[in-house]
Amino acid sequence: RKEVEQDPGPFNVPEGATVAFNCTYSNSASQSFFWYRQDCRKEPKLLMSVYSSGNEDGRFTAQLNRASQYISLLIRDSKLSDSATYLCVEGRRALTFGSGTRLQVQP
Amino acid sequence: DAEITQSPRHKITETGRQVTLACHQTWNHNNMFWYRQDLGHGLRLIHYSYGVHDTNKGEVSDGYSVSRSNTEDLPLTLESAASSQTSVYFCASSGQSNTEAFFGQGTRLTVV
Repeated sequence: RKEVEQDPGPFNVPEGATVAFNCTYSNSASQSFFWYRQDCRKEPKLLMSVYSSGNEDGRFTAQLNRASQYISLLIRDSKLSDSATYLCVEGRRALTFGSGTRLQVQP
Repeated sequence: DAEITQSPRHKITETGRQVTLACHQTWNHNNMFWYRQDLGHGLRLIHYSYGVHDTNKGEVSDGYSVSRSNTEDLPLTLESAASSQTSVYFCASSGQSNTEAFFGQGTRLTVV
């Protein structure tokens, strides 16, 4: 079993839609998680950190469910500029990445 | 502004040659990492370092080596390049364990 697993998508949604991604992790001792965004094989960029039960930043909300060992990312009011690959990341000794979920927001 | 830079950005090399990819950060971060990214595999950890003279193997370390002689640099060496090492390589750094990392712009390596 992979340490971090994500649905690869793609998720195709219209502008203005709400979309949610889930990510599961295998190590119950993991303490920190992150969501990164990556555009067209450019470098990943930090979107949000998730250290406790969740985090919210504008249209983006991340939640952590330790009992079920998953992290979610909710994007409200999707914009065309949100089209990217979203990487779920577990932070321990080194960051462990999921394979990413591709989002395509359509006009 | 502090940053992390990789060089070269693009490189084509021949099978069997030794290749070194450079990574330099100016944040004074203790932790540095090398990842490779291939279609269908996401980012996979090659090697990482928690400080000067410390190096550790990651998930896909065979055929690669690193050395950490100072805080700012973690060069990645391919001892004898193979076509299977054609990939995009990302370097990253972080201040502490369990914290977010910041990435360089990547090096696209082609082994022919």
